[in-house]
Amino acid sequence: DSGVTQTPKHLITATGQRVTLRCSPRSGDLSVYWYQQSLDQGLQFLIQYYNGEERAKGNILERFSAQQFPDLHSELNLSSLELGDSALYFCASSVSPLAGGAEGTQYFGPGTRLLVL
Amino acid sequence: EDKVVQSPLSLVVHEGDTVTLNCSYEVTNFRSLLWYKQEKKAPTFLFMLTSSGIEKKSGRLSSILDKKELSSILNITATQTGDSAIYLCAALFGNEKLTFGTGTRLTIIP
Repeated sequence: DSGVTQTPKHLITATGQRVTLRCSPRSGDLSVYWYQQSLDQGLQFLIQYYNGEERAKGNILERFSAQQFPDLHSELNLSSLELGDSALYFCASSVSPLAGGAEGTQYFGPGTRLLVL
Repeated sequence: EDKVVQSPLSLVVHEGDTVTLNCSYEVTNFRSLLWYKQEKKAPTFLFMLTSSGIEKKSGRLSSILDKKELSSILNITATQTGDSAIYLCAALFGNEKLTFGTGTRLTIIP
């Protein structure tokens, strides 16, 4: 158990809908990262927040947005969903704004599996 | 374009064998290279390598970075069935993004 929690575990929805994925980082971690993992694309970095501020952006679509709240939990919002958005979405956290903190470690949550029908 | 390539894509060996997994990268403003193990769900961190030529070890696993060759290897000795997983390599570059390779799927046959 990494200490990072994600809800929900599974989500099934229809095309065109909007969903919100939630992540709580490890206690004390200020950085939150979102990743998308699909069968054909591997693990793709989406976005990073540090202490409430957006820090780095990866391959995140305009239909997707994220935020980090004062209590450091983060939400990833996916809208106008398409079939191709079906994937496993991971959240990871680390202590520092760097991708790995002092020891280079990002701790991954268990993921949310999204299926768009 | 930043790129991380892993080889082989898949590897099947018998328990007790030694395996070597490869990772090469083309990354602007390279900072460090990370290895992760992914079993059923979330990746778990193994190593971070920043300096060239320094080996990091944890039990039967070890890894080394070659900055001149822009590559890294992950060695697993005396493999066990519990080592079966996807091993992911990721490069950290200047703006703090991690770029992942597609992984090597390792299967250990008892």
